[in-house]
Amino acid sequence: AQSVAQPEDQVNVAEGNPLTVKCTYSVSGNPYLFWYVQYPNRGLQFLLKYITGDNLVKGSYGFEAEFNKSQTSFHLKKPSALVSDSALYFCAVRAPNTGRRALTFGSGTRLQVQP
Amino acid sequence: NAGVTQTPKFRVLKTGQSMTLLCAQDMNHEYMYWYRQDPGMGLRLIHYSVGEGTTAKGEVPDGYNVSRLKKQNFLLGLESAAPSQTSVYFCASSEPGQYYEQYFGPGTRLTVT
Repeated sequence: AQSVAQPEDQVNVAEGNPLTVKCTYSVSGNPYLFWYVQYPNRGLQFLLKYITGDNLVKGSYGFEAEFNKSQTSFHLKKPSALVSDSALYFCAVRAPNTGRRALTFGSGTRLQVQP
Repeated sequence: NAGVTQTPKFRVLKTGQSMTLLCAQDMNHEYMYWYRQDPGMGLRLIHYSVGEGTTAKGEVPDGYNVSRLKKQNFLLGLESAAPSQTSVYFCASSEPGQYYEQYFGPGTRLTVT
């Protein structure tokens, strides 16, 4: 079975400071990993994904994430937070070649960026 | 392109009533999904479809039925609504293949009283 853990319900950071939103996963084989963002009363928007290759992936709005196979983590990062980054962030995983076609999502982390 | 659209945006049902949620996508995607989102639980997959005329169960399929008669549409039905089905429902679509991202609709907020 595949699973995702987002250990922090909420992350608070001051505008201009770096931010990290944590994600760990459990899956058989090499995972496909995704980050999505949800703004209030909106659907989820894709931010970035790791499929293979370079462990550091860059995505939309200046976000990046680092895949760490030994720690089974895929933490989301941004060097300088903006107030407009405040939203709900979801990590998701899919195990390749298992026939499972849908994503397994974490429970979400609310990011609050203070001015 | 409108992307993924959902109808209706809000709905209130009484226990035992039925309704159908409509999802439409204009990206010619093969795969479509229905999720429900509950506080503190992320998104959970209800049903999905890998092509026109096909459907399959997800994690939490009980109490729901789906149909995919046309490639661009994916319907979610509640035959006899229960308060436990109060949730926000999201439809998504994607290209075939496990490394493609999903595109989500804006959601339907359903309350069952």
